[in-house]
This record gives sequence, C-alpha cells and structure tokens, in this order.
Amino acid sequence: AQRVTQPEKLLSVFKGAPVELKCNYSYSGSPELFWYVQYSRQRLQLLLRHISRESIKGFTADLNKGETSFHLKKPFAQEEDSAMYYCALSSAGGGSNYKLTFGKGTLLTVNP
Amino acid sequence: NAGVTQTPKFQVLKTGQSMTLQCAQDMNHNSMYWYRQDPGMGLRLIYYSASEGTTDKGEVPNGYNVSRLNKREFSLRLESAAPSQTSVYFCASASSGNTIYFGEGSWLTVV
Repeated sequence: AQRVTQPEKLLSVFKGAPVELKCNYSYSGSPELFWYVQYSRQRLQLLLRHISRESIKGFTADLNKGETSFHLKKPFAQEEDSAMYYCALSSAGGGSNYKLTFGKGTLLTVNP
Repeated sequence: NAGVTQTPKFQVLKTGQSMTLQCAQDMNHNSMYWYRQDPGMGLRLIYYSASEGTTDKGEVPNGYNVSRLNKREFSLRLESAAPSQTSVYFCASASSGNTIYFGEGSWLTVV
C-alpha cells in the first residue's frame, strides 16, 4: 500500500529565509510525486510534479528514491507563500485508472 | 475556463437527511474523484471513477454513494447524513497525464 508522510503539520519561517517542506513516501512501484498548494479558502492547485523537473514560484523538489523523499524547497520564502502544502503520490504509472494519495499537509506561515 | 465545477458550495443538513453533491468537468477527462478534507487528516479519497460507467471505492467510502452519470458528471450522495460527515468535499478530474484538477470545494455541516 502506498503512503505519503508529511512530518510537520506546521512550519513557520521569516520572510527571506529558506524553507523546506518534508515529504516521505512508501510505494512498491515506480512513483509519480506531486506537490499541491492550497491558499486560504481556495481550491487545491498543482504546484509541481517530479517528472517535470521544473521550478514554480521559486519552489523546487527532487525525488530521492534512495531516501524515498520528495522534499519541497525554496531558498527565499515570501509572505505570499503562506498556504497549506500537500505532497501526493500517484498509484499507477500512466493510464487512466490511477488515484492520488495525499499526505496530511503542512501549513506554511511566512512571517514579515 | 470553468474546469471543475461543484455545487452546492455550502450546505447545512440535519442528521438523517440526504443530499447529493454535483460535480461537472469540461476538460474531457476520463477520471473523476471525490475527496474529503478534514483538519489534521489531509485529503482522503472517498470514491473515484476511472471512466464513464465505472466507479471504485477509495479510502473512506462508507456512508456515501456515487454516480458517474456521463463523462462530464460525477455526483456524490449522502443517503443518511451523520455529524461525522461534516467536512469540505472536493471533486476532481484528471487526464491520462496524471495531473489532477480540483473544484472549489463544498462545505457541508451536519447538525
């Protein structure tokens, strides 16, 4: 069974400080991992996915299969980054019969 | 672009009442999902539908039923609402590219 663990419920940093949101997973197959963000009372939206290897809003995440981790990082946090962040794992490699398993989320607060 | 649209946005029910949450997507996606979001629990999958005419249970299906009416629409029904079903419900859809798009959420309170 797949599992996604986000060990920090809350993370508070000051503006300009580096931020790292941790995500660990367990999955027997080849994982596809995502980070979703939810700003206050808005819908969840995709932030980035590991296969894209892109940087969105200054955030990056690298899949480390050895450590089964997919931590989200940003070198200089901004106040507008304050949101709930969810790490998610896709259970199937391609095709339409798949579903996402989400972690419990980390609430990031960036203080001025 | 409308994307994923769900209704109603807010609803208060009495214990034992029934209701249906409606969801529609205009992106021609095959897969659709219903999640519930609770504080400290993250998002949990209730039911999903890989394609029109098929539905499968997710992590927390008890107390819910779903209908994939056509490719666009996927409804979630609470036959006899319970206070434990007080939650925020999100409908979502996805293409074969694995990116899931969410609706704006439905806030349900059962008293």
